[in-house]
Amino acid sequence: NAGVTQTPKFQVLKTGQSMTLQCAQDMNHEYMSWYRQDPGMGLRLIHYSVGAGITDQGEVPNGYNVSRSTTEDFPLRLLSAAPSQTSVYFCASQGGRNTGELFFGEGSRLTVL
Amino acid sequence: AQSVSQHNHHVILSEAASLELGCNYSYGGTVNLFWYVQYPGQHLQLLLKYFSGDPLVKGIKGFEAEFIKSKFSFNLRKPSVQWSDTAEYFCAVNSKAGNMLTFGGGTRLMVKP
Repeated sequence: NAGVTQTPKFQVLKTGQSMTLQCAQDMNHEYMSWYRQDPGMGLRLIHYSVGAGITDQGEVPNGYNVSRSTTEDFPLRLLSAAPSQTSVYFCASQGGRNTGELFFGEGSRLTVL
Repeated sequence: AQSVSQHNHHVILSEAASLELGCNYSYGGTVNLFWYVQYPGQHLQLLLKYFSGDPLVKGIKGFEAEFIKSKFSFNLRKPSVQWSDTAEYFCAVNSKAGNMLTFGGGTRLMVKP
């Protein structure tokens, strides 16, 4: 049972480039989310999804796009990378409404030059 | 909107010292409360959680937390820390009406051997 799998683990981009961070979970969880982690700011929610075909914005959605075509996958797209998007990104899933317990991927460290 | 405050950003302790990390949240309704831990180089893991019932909850590795509703607090405690407790600790809140967690800014704990 792999849990939540994120790829890539590390990525360097130039300003203006686009890329997709992949996230997959094999626990049949309804809820999936993307957070970014920056020093002193904890984790901030970018986008989340409560099920296939349903996505919504979190606290810091600008510059990011998501889709949820299947229960398993929840990719995060950076449309035109900016240095302010240099961060560590975590994908997470949870079993259902109000369980609250998140299962995290191992993170993706992104540097935008 | 809910928010979470962790007042101690950095804590340095010697082994065997007692630990208390503060967490306060702002939300008028009923909440679920969590502490997550992130060991160096690893992803976040659940340390303990409170949904209802006994306000003193025990988690893994000897940690406990007490929910004080009147103070909107959920402080994390451990009677005697070990070097292996060196990590970053995040408090999180999930309103029972909502879907996703809101995280505090984190407290970085260093335990000196």
